[in-house]
Amino acid sequence: SAVISQKPSRDICQRGTSLTIQCQVDSQVTMMFWYRQQPGQSLTLIATANQGSEATYESGFVIDKFPISRPNLTFSTLTVSNMSPEDSSIYLCSVAGTTNEKLFFGSGTQLSVL
Amino acid sequence: AQTVTQSQPEMSVQEAETVTLSCTYDTSESNYYLFWYKQPPSRQMILVIRQEAYKQQNATENRFSVNFQKAAKSFSLKISDSQLGDTAMYFCALWGSNYKLTFGKGTLLTVNP
Repeated sequence: SAVISQKPSRDICQRGTSLTIQCQVDSQVTMMFWYRQQPGQSLTLIATANQGSEATYESGFVIDKFPISRPNLTFSTLTVSNMSPEDSSIYLCSVAGTTNEKLFFGSGTQLSVL
Repeated sequence: AQTVTQSQPEMSVQEAETVTLSCTYDTSESNYYLFWYKQPPSRQMILVIRQEAYKQQNATENRFSVNFQKAAKSFSLKISDSQLGDTAMYFCALWGSNYKLTFGKGTLLTVNP
């Protein structure tokens, strides 16, 4: 299994500011994903982080709001830009295992926007 | 499009008893994976069990087992000898050829002493 370190674990931010969440994996992985879990809800895929190219966003999510970087096969960042209270959620990084048969998750970032 | 439905928002069970969580899904793909994830209050998503669609044998992991009915598109999770530490939100999820994980809405399981 992959060991995923996600930072920060939680943050409280002011409206209009931006927060960058980091995801570090202990091994090279092909596929990395970012999910959002709104309060009391299930997980929704934001985007697939592609190494060396632009991320692939799901319907309802745009690059200007959620820019993603993936400079190498072990690291990715998700930025939540121009935040509003509606962005208060848990954001989770996930990676596919080496055989692409399992998906592992980081411990998540609890974001609260005031 | 893939969909996953969990019809039980909440369930409870007494410690040491057995409980079954239900999940149905829909997909047009012939090859896919099904998962159960556990999310305790720590919010960590923990993989409980995985089932490959092409395997008829039901997956088991210690006290956790599944009843996979491919024709009925049903994938239930049975937890035997329930423990207090099993208290968590449980999510059923489907992973298709596009490598996108589709989650159900979750079932909150409470194990009572």
